Amino acid sequence: GQQLNQSPQSMFIQEGEDVSMNCTSSSIFNTWLWYKQDPGEGPVLLIALYKAGELTSNGRLTAQFGITRKDSFLNISASIPSDVGIYFCAGRFQGAQKLVFGQGTRLTINP
Amino acid sequence: NAGVTQTPKFQVLKTGQSMTLQCAQDMNHNSMYWYRQDPGMGLRLIYYSASEGTTDKGEVPNGYNVSRLNKREFSLRLESAAPSQTSVYFCASSEALSGRGETQYFGPGTRLLVL
Repeated sequence: GQQLNQSPQSMFIQEGEDVSMNCTSSSIFNTWLWYKQDPGEGPVLLIALYKAGELTSNGRLTAQFGITRKDSFLNISASIPSDVGIYFCAGRFQGAQKLVFGQGTRLTINP
Repeated sequence: NAGVTQTPKFQVLKTGQSMTLQCAQDMNHNSMYWYRQDPGMGLRLIYYSASEGTTDKGEVPNGYNVSRLNKREFSLRLESAAPSQTSVYFCASSEALSGRGETQYFGPGTRLLVL
């Protein structure tokens, strides 16, 4: 099936550092979503993107829908301990009915 | 507003036993989904229901059945559990299957261990 490539798979950073992760595909997307999953919980929506080039912020988080419509990135500025978790991208390919999810990026923060 | 609720939160089964995972949403959403999450595999879609009265297979449907009991409830059944079905199961719902209402909202998960 069609695949989303999410990278990196894991990140180990110091508190206060900025974080960047991305998702890419060989196919065009109509929607990009970014979720965060805390340990032992279900994923929670962070940011939704619906237009190519769209740049949206949610507090210290910023996400962009790539101009080519084949990628998206999520940035976290000035990381804090509660940013720890797994971040998932999700999107809907043009012509597809359902969302597909990336494999996740596991973020670990050293205080 | 509870959102998406799942029961049980944790279950241990022996190989061959059956069980049903329950999911309910109070957001009046049309579409509902069942995913499994395994280490390094992300979220894989098992079954989904675009609207009340319809169900369709996802990426990994083998060994599972579903029932869309009404608009609120979507259950997942394991008829004969196998160790390979040890996983964390998430239910989700959305206003629609695609378009602006496609954002999915997830429940807290059911952790299943099959011995």
